[in-house]
Amino acid sequence: QSALTQPASVSGSLGQSITISCTGTSSDVGGFNYVSWYQHHPDKAPKLIIHDVSNRPSGVSDRFSGSKSGNTASLTISGLQAEDDAEYYCSSYTSSSTVVFGGGTKVTVV
Amino acid sequence: EVQLLESGGGLIQPGGSLRLSCAVSGLTFSRYAMSWVRQPPGKGLEWVSSISETGSATYYADSVKGRFTISRDNSRNTLYLQINSLRAEDTAMYYCAKEKIRLDDWGQGTLVTVSS
Repeated sequence: QSALTQPASVSGSLGQSITISCTGTSSDVGGFNYVSWYQHHPDKAPKLIIHDVSNRPSGVSDRFSGSKSGNTASLTISGLQAEDDAEYYCSSYTSSSTVVFGGGTKVTVV
Repeated sequence: EVQLLESGGGLIQPGGSLRLSCAVSGLTFSRYAMSWVRQPPGKGLEWVSSISETGSATYYADSVKGRFTISRDNSRNTLYLQINSLRAEDTAMYYCAKEKIRLDDWGQGTLVTVSS
């Protein structure tokens, strides 16, 4: 159960777009369309922002979008806003019927 | 409004045991799988365990298999995590969350600190 690979940090200016990658294997990301993305602000509960690769839960801004190609999933945040400054985690279902998270990516809005 | 409220965390000595609880309200608890996720200080999220709607199926991360036991009481709308043989590396904020593959509601967490 090795963690999915995410960049440690990504930064962008207000209004810019950024993309966070999440790389796994054919036993997790590549094998299932069950990739989720979470936004986590300090001292708050994590929040689901994308599920099943590209679906947004009700109430989540359409500035967040997800995609997948092979063993790599991606989260794109368009029109960066100050409140997007947070940690972002991907997760995937695995062939062992478990779940694995990525190491997390700190998004800094400059 | 869905609410998940964890409890049972605290300071525990290595080798000790603890039972975490998660009281759930605002939904039909017995219709949903449930999960535990933890976050060690300064580190990322780690999926720990999940349980099916009826409790008949349970799943564990390799790092906790054999020491942690997930269970639920659908009559009390409560999720549990029994943690045995605690180690320093189990120190973390423990969150309960609704569902397994897409964790769409989370509690605020309960802190477990393993130290002598």
